[in-house]
Amino acid sequence: KAGVTQTPRYLIKTRGQQVTLSCSPISGHRSVSWYQQTPGQGLQFLFEYFSETQRNKGNFPGRFSGRQFSNSRSEMNVSTLELGDSALYLCASSSGVNTYEQYFGPGTRLTVT
Amino acid sequence: DAKTTQPPSMDCAEGRAANLPCNHSTISGNEYVYWYRQIHSQGPQYIIHGLKNNETNEMASLIITEDRKSSTLILPHATLRDTAVYYCIVRVAAANFGNEKLTFGTGTRLTIIP
Repeated sequence: KAGVTQTPRYLIKTRGQQVTLSCSPISGHRSVSWYQQTPGQGLQFLFEYFSETQRNKGNFPGRFSGRQFSNSRSEMNVSTLELGDSALYLCASSSGVNTYEQYFGPGTRLTVT
Repeated sequence: DAKTTQPPSMDCAEGRAANLPCNHSTISGNEYVYWYRQIHSQGPQYIIHGLKNNETNEMASLIITEDRKSSTLILPHATLRDTAVYYCIVRVAAANFGNEKLTFGTGTRLTIIP
């Protein structure tokens, strides 16, 4: 079974731009969660989608948004990029029902200059 | 979710057992203990979880004290590929529909020494 895939793997943007990251979960998984990882703040939960609905949301500004499609693929969008948004963005998939483990993708490394 | 405390770093000789401690003194009755690890430049990987009984799988063993205030992850025969940051996470039972959020602390950086 193929793992979680994230595209692109690396991205360089400038301040003020917006960016869209994509995540394809493991086949059959309906839940997709997004995390941000930075050296200073560690791994932080952004939000989680299940069956195209946002179920959980972390403490991030409204510039961070996401969505999930009917095939469970998910995208997250960051608008008006700031230098502090430079991070590794990780996507995790799970079945979403009575789950005990999440499967993480390799991440997208975003650099904002 | 209950707070966890882990040592920032540990070393272990290759081939020996690596014992990683975690304190979770405020854990409540319906909270599970989960362990994940993150190898450099990769996404976190699930290792094991438990409620109150000791658990073992092909990767590791999890020992939870009787009062559930602490636990130990054991990698029985550490290899160089086990070098990673190990995270101990406490969260409500996964059977609660809709709770996929994981709260990561700073973890323990385990280095396996050849």
